[in-house]
Amino acid sequence: GQQLNQSPQSMFIQEGEDVSMNCTSSSIFNTWLWYKQDPGEGPVLLIALYKAGELTSNGRLTAQFGITRKDSFLNISASIPSDVGIYFCAGKTGTASKLTFGTGTRLQVTL
Amino acid sequence: GAGVSQTPSNKVTEKGKYVELRCDPISGHTALYWYRQSLGQGPEFLIYFQGTGAADDSGLPNDRFFAVRPEGSVSTLKIQRTERGDSAVYLCASSFGAPSEEQFFGPGTRLTVL
Repeated sequence: GQQLNQSPQSMFIQEGEDVSMNCTSSSIFNTWLWYKQDPGEGPVLLIALYKAGELTSNGRLTAQFGITRKDSFLNISASIPSDVGIYFCAGKTGTASKLTFGTGTRLQVTL
Repeated sequence: GAGVSQTPSNKVTEKGKYVELRCDPISGHTALYWYRQSLGQGPEFLIYFQGTGAADDSGLPNDRFFAVRPEGSVSTLKIQRTERGDSAVYLCASSFGAPSEEQFFGPGTRLTVL
């Protein structure tokens, strides 16, 4: 099945640094979502975006819905050790409820 | 519990065998979804139920895969004649059903086909 392209694939950063990752698609989505997955757990929703151009924050996380509807960006400010995990973007089209996920960005934070 | 639960947490089977994976959604959620996550990949959609009926089964890879939700709550994903390529984590999610509603995921069942 289709998977969205996420970059970077993985990143090592130091505690306190800011992190940026993005997600691109060949098709348009009406909703963009960002999830975090810890080992042995299911994905947990971080931020949902419903409108092209929308910029939404959740604590230290900020995400944007690309104006073309084919991309989205996630920024994490002042990273902390518990930010470690795999971050997935996901898109949803129209009224369809299935999610199309990205390939994931693995984040590792060093002290 | 309050969240989505899945059983078993791990399942090891032999090639050619039949397996059933169970999902208990959050109480009151009318929509239920199955996804499959291969190692190093994001989850891939399999099937979506709205109540008792499959609203979208376009993600089922072939006719060896089947899912039911007879009473609109618990769902069972059934895989016949398992193949090594079926090895993955099978995730279940539920939501209140409206297209904009958040999907809450269970911890998954890790299936290993030897």
